[in-house]
Amino acid sequence: NAGVTQTPKFRVLKTGQSMTLLCAQDMNHEYMYWYRQDPGMGLRLIHYSVGEGTTAKGEVPDGYNVSRLKKQNFLLGLESAAPSQTSVYFCASSYRLGLDQPQHFGDGTRLSIL
Amino acid sequence: AQKITQTQPGMFVQEKEAVTLDCTYDTSDPSYGLFWYKQPSSGEMIFLIYQGSYDQQNATEGRYSLNFQKARKSANLVISASQLGDSAMYFCAMRENTNAGKSTFGDGTTLTVKP
Repeated sequence: NAGVTQTPKFRVLKTGQSMTLLCAQDMNHEYMYWYRQDPGMGLRLIHYSVGEGTTAKGEVPDGYNVSRLKKQNFLLGLESAAPSQTSVYFCASSYRLGLDQPQHFGDGTRLSIL
Repeated sequence: AQKITQTQPGMFVQEKEAVTLDCTYDTSDPSYGLFWYKQPSSGEMIFLIYQGSYDQQNATEGRYSLNFQKARKSANLVISASQLGDSAMYFCAMRENTNAGKSTFGDGTTLTVKP
């Protein structure tokens, strides 16, 4: 019962470095999301996807790029990491049909930018 | 304007007592869904309960119930018979029919259950 799997779980980067966070789901969900959570705060939507090959901007998209080449995978990229991007990143997925479909979350990636 | 407002940054409750966590929302869409999630200190997000805008009855799931007051645009979570394991951060979230690809989350309420 894998559900939503995020890779890596922890990462420390230097300012200016790039990296990609991988999210994989095995539930055949159409929708996928990337959120960031800063200390003591709620989730803020970075980007989301309503299907393979489609992406859209959320509330805080600047400094991030995403791709969804396969239905089961959603990648989040940081081209030039900045200390302000230090955060915990959550990936989530859900079924398309029905407002009653909850999001299923990964365990998060703790990212520190020095 | 914030779409989901949770006005209680922190709450305390005695073990075995009931507690209500507040959530108000803002939408002009007549069709929407409201969710509550729990985030323990370990960090994972756990879905607790759902309420649809057209549901006639308040949702219940075990010790969790949702006090849905549509006219007041509130969807408060009620936890009965609190347990130490209920200590966590709780988030209210909304999904609107006009933009079903997105969910909006509140800032959360940290609940501490005292023994």
